[in-house]
Amino acid sequence: EIVLTQSPATLSLSPGERATLSCRASQSVSSYLAWYQQKPGQAPRLLIYDASNRATGIPARFSGSGSATDFTLTISSLEPEDFAVYYCQQRSNWPPVTFGQGTRLEIK
Amino acid sequence: EVQLVESGGGLVQPGGSLRLSCATSGFSFSSYAMSWVRQAPGKGLEWVSAISGSGGTTYYADSVKGRFTISRDNSKNTLYLQMNSLRAEDTAVYYCAKDRSGYVVPYFDYWGQGTLVTVSS
Repeated sequence: EIVLTQSPATLSLSPGERATLSCRASQSVSSYLAWYQQKPGQAPRLLIYDASNRATGIPARFSGSGSATDFTLTISSLEPEDFAVYYCQQRSNWPPVTFGQGTRLEIK
Repeated sequence: EVQLVESGGGLVQPGGSLRLSCATSGFSFSSYAMSWVRQAPGKGLEWVSAISGSGGTTYYADSVKGRFTISRDNSKNTLYLQMNSLRAEDTAVYYCAKDRSGYVVPYFDYWGQGTLVTVSS
């Protein structure tokens, strides 16, 4: 099973700042990695798939990069609605599909 | 508009059974694989099971294999999860989720609102 490790666990930033979230895989997942955003009491929302492709309707301030074992989600300029928990997910070697443990992005 | 609406959650004793349903609309249901993903209270996401669009192929996490059964009724646009021999560690919000593409490529572009399953005596 591929283990995804996200860092940091919590990121404290202010609106307008740049956010950089990391996801590291225990073995190569090629580019088969997605990012999700989850707000309290809501279902997750797909942001990025195949490492760098924005899902339908996702603002351009969200971007993904990386391959093999190291991936990054970047939010170029934080909006108030971006403060949430973010998960990475791999589909390279499945089943099982696996998720990272999440990064909480909070307002500083 | 794509909609996924789960139902069937509730309180069940350890060792008991429950069947979850996910009614869908707004897309060609039989063309897409579907999954169940769960989230224990205050915890992260855990994939549970997936099923191909035809229903002919199913996949399970080791934690539920042999206890849970995923199925679908394409005539009713509905996904199911039969859960037997439930344990306390199965307590979670269960989400149904739609695959992004028409292949069994598990990225999930639409999710239901979730249904809470609580396993407790």
